[in-house]
Amino acid sequence: DGGITQSPKYLFRKEGQNVTLSCEQNLNHDAMYWYRQDPGQGLRLIYYSQIVNDFQKGDIAEGYSVSREKKESFPLTVTSAQKNPTAFYLCASSIGEAGAQFFGPGTRLTVL
Amino acid sequence: GQQLNQSPQSMFIQEGEDVSMNCTSSSIFNTWLWYKQDPGEGPVLLIALYKAGELTSNGRLTAQFGITRKDSFLNISASIPSDVGIYFCAGISNFGNEKLTFGTGTRLTIIP
Repeated sequence: DGGITQSPKYLFRKEGQNVTLSCEQNLNHDAMYWYRQDPGQGLRLIYYSQIVNDFQKGDIAEGYSVSREKKESFPLTVTSAQKNPTAFYLCASSIGEAGAQFFGPGTRLTVL
Repeated sequence: GQQLNQSPQSMFIQEGEDVSMNCTSSSIFNTWLWYKQDPGEGPVLLIALYKAGELTSNGRLTAQFGITRKDSFLNISASIPSDVGIYFCAGISNFGNEKLTFGTGTRLTIIP
């Protein structure tokens, strides 16, 4: 059963703590992406990776970090430097960088 | 980052009515995509369009790739309660920036 999984679905953290969000795909897609969505808003690109061991900053990369050590996995770390981390985070993947993107179910992060 | 202009921002319709929404851009796109997002979930790809003038259907949904390549349209016929959600358009250009650009979304509500 192919797809993209994100875990956990809901995450609570205290202010000042780093937190890592998981994203795994078994679609054999080369490209993976992280987006942030705030209430009533569209999607904003945080980071993307076109190939293993390579990634690029998106439009709102400050306060976030990623790694791409395996094709299937693209974890996102929300660091304490991110001033307003409470949001809905979406991971996506595509066959190539210009292909249609398929999304995971999302992780809702709440920083208390 | 650039966002596509999507209209209307919200729609309130009665069950059984047809729905039309559109997406416009000042830039040319080579691919248009339409997604639906349910509350608290990731967007799901509905229709992908790859050629100017292309008209594609997916059940009660029909989408068109505008001739100018700067717009796209989505129609839903005979709406049902499960059509409720937010619809996003997205475009991909091939002019040095092949990341997906998302529309601002159309929120569809069905009045009982």
